[in-house]
Amino acid sequence: EIVMTQSPATLSVSPGERATLSCRASQSVSGNLAWFQQKPGQAPRLLIYDASTRATDIPARFSGSGSGTDFSLTISSLESEDFAVYYCQQYNNWPPAWTFGQGTKVEIK
Amino acid sequence: QVHLLQSGGELKKPGASLNVSCRASGYTFNTYGIAWLRQAPGQGLEWMGWINTYTGSTNYAQKFQGRVAMTKDMSTNTAYMELKGLTSDDTAVYYCARARFYDFLLRPGDFWGQGTLVVVSS
Repeated sequence: EIVMTQSPATLSVSPGERATLSCRASQSVSGNLAWFQQKPGQAPRLLIYDASTRATDIPARFSGSGSGTDFSLTISSLESEDFAVYYCQQYNNWPPAWTFGQGTKVEIK
Repeated sequence: QVHLLQSGGELKKPGASLNVSCRASGYTFNTYGIAWLRQAPGQGLEWMGWINTYTGSTNYAQKFQGRVAMTKDMSTNTAYMELKGLTSDDTAVYYCARARFYDFLLRPGDFWGQGTLVVVSS
């Protein structure tokens, strides 16, 4: 099973600042990596797929990069609604299966 | 617009079975698979498996093999997930998610149900 490891566990950032979240896979997942945002009491929301493609209606301040085993999600200028937990997810499996990182909580500094 | 509507929360006794439904609307049901995941209180997301709504084939996470069954009803555009032999460790929010399957990959879920809280307690 591919293990996804996210860092840091918690990121304290001030509104308007830049945030960079990391995700590492235990083996190559090529570019088959997604990022989700989850707020308390809500379902996850797809932000990025194929490592760097923004999903529909996702603001341009969210960007993803990386390939193989190392990936990052950058929020260029944090807004109040961006404080949430972020998960990376790989989908490079046959038969199909998803595995998620443990999450990074972005909190207000 | 695309919408996945899940059944309501449940309180279950240990040993009981759980049935969660996920009714899809706003798209052609059999053009996307339905994946099932869960999230224990304060924890991350856990993959349970998926159903190919076109063929009916399923793939379950090894952890749930023998205990889970995923089905579909094309007449009502609804997917179902049954989990048997519940224990307190099955207390979680259960989610369905729409996912496209192509190039031998199950793409990430682009629309999710609202979640179904299941509490297992005696």
